[in-house]
Amino acid sequence: AQSVSQHNHHVILSEAASLELGCNYSYGGTVNLFWYVQYPGQHLQLLLKYFSGDPLVKGIKGFEAEFIKSKFSFNLRKPSVQWSDTAEYFCAVGGYNTDKLIFGTGTRLQVFP
Amino acid sequence: NAGVTQTPKFRVLKTGQSMTLLCAQDMNHEYMYWYRQDPGMGLRLIHYSVGEGTTAKGEVPDGYNVSRLKKQNFLLGLESAAPSQTSVYFCASSPLAPSSYNEQFFGPGTRLTVL
Repeated sequence: AQSVSQHNHHVILSEAASLELGCNYSYGGTVNLFWYVQYPGQHLQLLLKYFSGDPLVKGIKGFEAEFIKSKFSFNLRKPSVQWSDTAEYFCAVGGYNTDKLIFGTGTRLQVFP
Repeated sequence: NAGVTQTPKFRVLKTGQSMTLLCAQDMNHEYMYWYRQDPGMGLRLIHYSVGEGTTAKGEVPDGYNVSRLKKQNFLLGLESAAPSQTSVYFCASSPLAPSSYNEQFFGPGTRLTVL
């Protein structure tokens, strides 16, 4: 069955710490991969996406993600987090020939000054 | 451009009542989606539409109906609300399917409580 796993449910960091959020997926065939962010009280916004090419993808606000096909992973990273990065982060996968996304359960990130 | 808008923002219903949530987009997108977001469960797809006049079931369609009579609007109906439908509902739209290098654009959400 198609699925997306985000093993970190709640992450607490201090400002300037490095961040890595895990995302693993189970999907047969070519996939498109997304990270969305939901700031408190707001709607989901796209952070970055991967479709093909360079497996290291850079997004907004200093975030990046690396697609490792052999590990079925698309982990999100940021070298130095800020208080304003406090939000919930969702990984999503879409099959190349489908019109739907499958979302992970989300990771809540809290950054303290 | 307003993007994706949702009406209402909040609603409280009693068990058995009905209501319709409205999603509107002004980006001329073909695809529209309704999700529900519950703590610890992420976003789950309820129904979606790949164009005007079309609808399809998602992951959790039971208890909901949808209609896409106009390209810019996608309505989600609850015929007989149940407490299990207490959730935050998000609408999204996309110019083409995610497989075609297009992201989904989300609305601000509707917080629904069923007593």
